[in-house]
Amino acid sequence: DAKTTQPNSMESNEEEPVHLPCNHSTISGTDYIHWYRQLPSQGPEYVIHGLTSNVNNRMASLAIAEDRKSSTLILHRATLRDAAVYYCILTSGTYKYIFGTGTRLKVLA
Amino acid sequence: NAGVTQTPKFRILKIGQSMTLQCTQDMNHNYMYWYRQDPGMGLKLIYYSVGAGITDKGEVPNGYNVSRSTTEDFPLRLELAAPSQTSVYFCASSYSFGRADEQYFGPGTRLTVT
Repeated sequence: DAKTTQPNSMESNEEEPVHLPCNHSTISGTDYIHWYRQLPSQGPEYVIHGLTSNVNNRMASLAIAEDRKSSTLILHRATLRDAAVYYCILTSGTYKYIFGTGTRLKVLA
Repeated sequence: NAGVTQTPKFRILKIGQSMTLQCTQDMNHNYMYWYRQDPGMGLKLIYYSVGAGITDKGEVPNGYNVSRSTTEDFPLRLELAAPSQTSVYFCASSYSFGRADEQYFGPGTRLTVT
């Protein structure tokens, strides 16, 4: 299974954009890139996913490098409610997600 | 829709005791999953099911059993609880496992074995 690498933690000021990076240098051509986040004491929740093109939804944007070896989750205006652990996951047709330890985002008021 | 529900929310077991963690989803999803999350770690897959009557092992199945008699329910059984099974358990479901499908997670069951 292809693996992802994320920074352990990041900080952002409230109302500012946040760029959360993810490296996945062994990604295969059919792997999708998924992002989930886990708020304190809750189960993970879906944020966004993509294959090759950049993606936008109401929660965030996903920017995928042209060689697909890295991606960036963009929160356009961080709020205190965005403080969570963010997981970058590759899916390749097996019935499982491989969760790493993710990036713990701290949002400063 | 309630989504994915789990019971109980918390449980303390003594070593050697047994229990069943309940999971129900009301989204008519075919695929269901059980994960465990140890402190400061990501989630690890215990078992999964691709439909009623069909289950298979994930990364860390030892010490657990599952069954799937209906589409809605996917209980996880611990037969002889051990301290190493102290963890938070999450159930999840998805419509399929197309590479683009998202998983919906329950709120979790926090289990302590002493």
